[in-house]
Amino acid sequence: GIQVEQSPPDLILQEGANSTLRCNFSDSVNNLQWFHQNPWGQLINLFYIPSGTKQNGRLSATTVATERYSLLYISSSQTTDSGVYFCAVDHYGSGNTGKLIFGQGTTLQVKP
Amino acid sequence: DTGVSQDPRHKITKRGQNVTFRCDPISEHNRLYWYRQTLGQGPEFLTYFQNEAQLEKSRLLSDRFSAERPKGSFSTLEIQRTEQGDSAMYLCASSGTGRGAFFGQGTRLTVV
Repeated sequence: GIQVEQSPPDLILQEGANSTLRCNFSDSVNNLQWFHQNPWGQLINLFYIPSGTKQNGRLSATTVATERYSLLYISSSQTTDSGVYFCAVDHYGSGNTGKLIFGQGTTLQVKP
Repeated sequence: DTGVSQDPRHKITKRGQNVTFRCDPISEHNRLYWYRQTLGQGPEFLTYFQNEAQLEKSRLLSDRFSAERPKGSFSTLEIQRTEQGDSAMYLCASSGTGRGAFFGQGTRLTVV
């Protein structure tokens, strides 16, 4: 099956700092999504980004499908950005089921 | 569009009891997924429906687990004879076309 690796596993930032989270995947994908898991456990959609670059406020993401990686940029971080960030992929070999394979996540803590 | 809704949010049950969880997907989405997440891990795929048809089940889904999606609307996930190892967050997601999967708030199960 496809492997999804996220780095770093843990990240501590001072409020206002910028950060880059990385997601590497081992095979071709139909889809890639970034999620933020809030303290209550809900997965909040950040980006649906099988390729290219998207921006949403202080967040942006880039996926280079041919090189099998995606990056999530957080600028001017705020304490509310704290939580776990997951990358998830829909493996091309799964037959277009849409099922997602998740990485292990990056735990971000933003200190005031 | 009220998003994906799951009920209950929390369930505490005694070992050996049966439990049932409900998921109401986004109304226009024809695909529905169940995932399980244990502490410190990313969510893992359990099963997937396209309309009312259950098209794939993970090996994680033992014979004590059953899922249904009557009439292609809401879905239920039942666990029979619960074990302590079933304690986890159970997440439901739905998807249509082209925007990826959207998750509900999850049901946190504790088996005592």
